[in-house]
Amino acid sequence: EPEVTQTPSHQVTQMGQEVILRCVPISNHLYFYWYRQILGQKVEFLVSFYNNEISEKSEIFDDQFSVERPDGSNFTLKIRSTKLEDSAMYFCASSVGKAQETQYFGPGTRLLVL
Amino acid sequence: AQKVTQAQTEISVVEKEDVTLDCVYETRDTTYYLFWYKQPPSGELVFLIRRNSFDEQNEISGRYSWNFQKSTSSFNFTITASQVVDSAVYFCAHSSRETSGSRLTFGEGTQLTVNP
Repeated sequence: EPEVTQTPSHQVTQMGQEVILRCVPISNHLYFYWYRQILGQKVEFLVSFYNNEISEKSEIFDDQFSVERPDGSNFTLKIRSTKLEDSAMYFCASSVGKAQETQYFGPGTRLLVL
Repeated sequence: AQKVTQAQTEISVVEKEDVTLDCVYETRDTTYYLFWYKQPPSGELVFLIRRNSFDEQNEISGRYSWNFQKSTSSFNFTITASQVVDSAVYFCAHSSRETSGSRLTFGEGTQLTVNP
C-alpha cells in the first residue's frame, strides 16, 4: 500500500541553524501539507501546496518557513533560523484532491532545537 | 472559523468495555468533512474514517462505529469491546470545501488507555 515517507525521523539542531525536513508524498497525490504537533498538544496546520505553489498557510507559517517541491517526488519544509519553540513533531501529508479527500500522513520528523 | 472540541482529555477503561469518544464541531460552511485519526504511542497519525456533511448515515467497521448528528454538530466514535491495542490518542478533525487549501482543523485529542 502506498504511503507517505519522511526523513529524517529525528533531528537535533542548534538554535539559529537551518533545517530541511523532507517528505515523499504518495505518487498520484496532488495536494501536499505540513502540520506540526508540539509535544502533548494537538496537530496544527502549517501550509498546503498545490500546483507548485502555496494554496494556504496558517499564522504559524511565517517568513522563517518555506516549502518547495524540488523535483517530481520530494516535498520539503525549510526552517531558516530555528528557535527553541520550533521543537515539535512535523508531519507531512498528501491527498488526491481538496477538502473531500482524505489526507494521509507520514510518520513524522521529531525536531529538537537546543 | 472552524473549531473542533474533544472535551474528554483522557479516558481509561478496562479491556472489553465499550467506550465512546466525543467530538463537537463548529462551522458556518454548508459542505464540510469530518475525520477521525488515531495516534498510537509510536507517534504516527493513522486515518480511521471520513464523513461528508450531507451523509448522516452512521458507519460501522468491525469494533468501531461512528455516530454523526448534524443537529448537535457531533461526530462521536465508539469502540466496542475495547482491547489494549486500542490505547492511543484519538483526534477528530474537520475540513471545508469552502476553504481553499483544505486545511484540517484538529481537536485537542482524547488519550484512551485500555487496561488489561
